Amino acid sequence: GAGVSQSPSNKVTEKGKDVELRCDPISGHTALYWYRQSLGQGLEFLIYFQGNSAPDKSGLPSDRFSAERTGGSVSTLTIQRTQQEDSAVYLCASSRGASGSPSYNEQFFGPGTRLTVL
Amino acid sequence: KQEVTQIPAALSVPEGENLVLNCSFTDSAIYNLQWFRQDPGKGLTSLLLIQSSQREQTSGRLNASLDKSSGRSTLYIAASQPGDSATYLCAVVPGGYNKLIFGAGTRLAVHP
Repeated sequence: GAGVSQSPSNKVTEKGKDVELRCDPISGHTALYWYRQSLGQGLEFLIYFQGNSAPDKSGLPSDRFSAERTGGSVSTLTIQRTQQEDSAVYLCASSRGASGSPSYNEQFFGPGTRLTVL
Repeated sequence: KQEVTQIPAALSVPEGENLVLNCSFTDSAIYNLQWFRQDPGKGLTSLLLIQSSQREQTSGRLNASLDKSSGRSTLYIAASQPGDSATYLCAVVPGGYNKLIFGAGTRLAVHP
């Protein structure tokens, strides 16, 4: 079956513009996660969805960052008024569920979106 | 606050060697631990998941062990091949959470 897909694969934008990044999880996976990978910070958690709800948004770095998930499937991460420090690879992951057996928590990652803010 | 450390940061070995990658975490209250592989410019590929109640998991030439009480995991790669060259990442899910906390990774190069 298909894995996690993300679009676009690359995005170049100018400082101050808004960007939207999209994630399509594995079919049937109820949990979805966003992470960011940058040279200086490594891999950092941003937000976690269970269904359409986001019980953990603790990793969002500022109020310029927001995310939503609709229909328990596709998720969009929006960054408003982008800054150069937002440049990074944004990775999405999904898992079967986030409760019950720990194996349901195994996370599968997409290829990422490389964001460059000029 | 949970912190994950991986040693060594980089490793270069000749083909055929058996090798061990180390991961340590500061808080033993974890839900599970996952090992990933990342090729340059690519996403993460899940290699093994060890539940907190397990001691080890095996997949092909890979074996991962978990000693939760001492906060350590090792990834053993048998008979390494050039195709094993990649960055290997260790990550834990802290108890009570669902997010992964990652180490900085070990960059492995296997030369013919």
